[in-house]
Amino acid sequence: GAGVSQSPRYKVAKRGQDVALRCDPISGHVSLFWYQQALGQGPEFLTYFQNEAQLDKSGLPSDRFFAERPEGSVSTLKIQRTQQEDSAVYLCASSFRDSSYGYTFGSGTRLTVV
Amino acid sequence: SQQGEEDPQALSIQEGENATMNCSYKTSINNLQWYRQNSGRGLVHLILIRSNEREKHSGRLRVTLDTSKKSSSLLITASRAADTASYFCATDHLPGSSNTGKLIFGQGTTLQVKP
Repeated sequence: GAGVSQSPRYKVAKRGQDVALRCDPISGHVSLFWYQQALGQGPEFLTYFQNEAQLDKSGLPSDRFFAERPEGSVSTLKIQRTQQEDSAVYLCASSFRDSSYGYTFGSGTRLTVV
Repeated sequence: SQQGEEDPQALSIQEGENATMNCSYKTSINNLQWYRQNSGRGLVHLILIRSNEREKHSGRLRVTLDTSKKSSSLLITASRAADTASYFCATDHLPGSSNTGKLIFGQGTTLQVKP
């Protein structure tokens, strides 16, 4: 597609519920990144993939967070047993090769845990 | 954790004035990038400056980089109401750094341009 597409746009989850956030990167973009952005803050790195390989997951805040990109295109960020502190905007970005080429971001998924 | 620190945190100017935002970082970089974010939207890539460049222009944007001071500035000339947004610097780090391969974002500067 023309841009990075994320779904759903908004998600309200009850505390303890599992959620799955989807990212469709730009076709042909090798690298895919997930970021978490709290209100009024800059994006915080979560994890990144080069094709289907998850090269860095150092930013995932706990083992409740899991990301995959099984065929090297679409990626899913899963959060198990959601907690209130997980409430944030989750941004996905893709890049032609790596971070030195600049990112194209999706519009994000705003997750609210109640 | 975030690498960059941006200054000021918030800036309010009149249309037609210039806006200057500053960014400092801690460890050596491959390049530095600036992004804009409109409220409730994703980030949009504005400009990239490599570590061996000192200044770069794109339309009304001018970016400078001082690697000896580990700092960068973004100047928006002749600002317009449509420039109202948050602006973030992001650093891309050299191989061997724990931050290699991903961009590290600052906290951002919120710019308001009054018509």
